[in-house]
Formats: sequence, structure tokens, C-alpha cells
Amino acid sequence: GNSVTQMEGPVTLSEEAFLTINCTYTATGYPSLFWYVQYPGEGLQLLLKATKADDKGSNKGFEATYRKETTSFHLEKGSVQVSDSAVYFCALGWETGANNLFFGTGTRLTVIP
Amino acid sequence: ETGVTQTPRHLVMGMTNKKSLKCEQHLGHNAMYWYKQSAKKPLELMFVYNFKEQTENNSVPSRFSPECPNSSHLFLHLHTLQPEDSALYLCASSQRTSGNEQFFGPGTRLTVL
Repeated sequence: GNSVTQMEGPVTLSEEAFLTINCTYTATGYPSLFWYVQYPGEGLQLLLKATKADDKGSNKGFEATYRKETTSFHLEKGSVQVSDSAVYFCALGWETGANNLFFGTGTRLTVIP
Repeated sequence: ETGVTQTPRHLVMGMTNKKSLKCEQHLGHNAMYWYKQSAKKPLELMFVYNFKEQTENNSVPSRFSPECPNSSHLFLHLHTLQPEDSALYLCASSQRTSGNEQFFGPGTRLTVL
């Protein structure tokens, strides 16, 4: 079946630290991969995505590379800010066919000044 | 209004009450979704509507009843809920052919007493 496993939080970092949030997936075929972010009191927003192997998604200084060989899509940012504090969700879905998204449990990030 | 809106933002109800959650999308999308977000669990997909037709019901109890009168509006009717149904209920929409990027509303925080 389809599933996403991401590192459990919470993660607490100092401002300007390097961030990695691990995400691995199980799927039949070649899904699209997503990172969504949820700020306090808000719904989820798409942060970045990649649709095929070796693609790199990037947005707002965040990056993730679709690694088919390790079935991973780890999220990274070189220098986090307090405003990055949020919950981050890894997800997989399909370009065609069923339009479900499969989400991980989310990782809460807190950045302290 | 822009994006995906949900009302009410907060709802407290007793187990014998009947209430409805409303979702409206202003993006011209043709697919809409209900998700349940509980602490420390992956987002649970509840219902999917494509072109106003329900295409997915993930074994959701009958005390949750969705309604999609047109492609812009989605309702979730609630009756005789249980305390374990307390959660954040998120609505999302997407364009069926756009590679599954879903846009989320801010959610309704539901508390069942």
C-alpha cells in the first residue's frame, strides 16, 4: 500500500541552524511527493513538490530531492528563522488516477531566537 | 474571499446535537475533500468529491454525512457524535487534472462534549 513515514518531533532549533526533516515513503509505482506546512491556527499550505525521480523541489529556502533509490524526500533548509516555526507534513500522491494524498504524521518545528 | 474558506472555525457540540460544517472554494476547482486531523495521527482522508460526485468514503461512520451541492461548496453534517470525534476538520480542493496539488482551508476545530 501507500504510506509515508516522517521523523517524529518535536524539533527545536536555534535561529540560523540547519534543518533536516526526514521522510520516506512506500508506494507502488512512481508517485509525486509533497511537503506541506501548517502554521498555527491555519490549514495546510503546499511548500514544495517533486513529480519524478531526481527532481528537486524548492521554495522559501527549503529544498527536497526525490530519491527513488532510497524512497526518500527529506526536507532541508540551510538557515531557519523564527517564522519557520510550524508543523511540516510529507505526502505522496498521483498525477493521474486516484486523487488521494497520503500524509505522514507531521513534524513540529520550533525555532528559538 | 479567496482560496478555501471554512465555517465555523470553532464548534462545541453535545453528543445529541446536529450541526453542519461548511466549506467553500473560490479557485474554480472540480474536486473537494474532507480530512480529519487528530493529534499524533496522520491526516485521515474522509471523503472525496470529483465533479460533485462522491468517489471516496474511507469507512467513515454514518454519523458523518457529506453533501456537495455544487463544485464550489461542500458540507459535513454531524449527528450523534462521540467525544473521540473531537478534532480539526480540514476541507481541501484541487483541480482534478493538475497533478493533485490540494489547497486547504483553515479548518474547523470541533469539540464534542
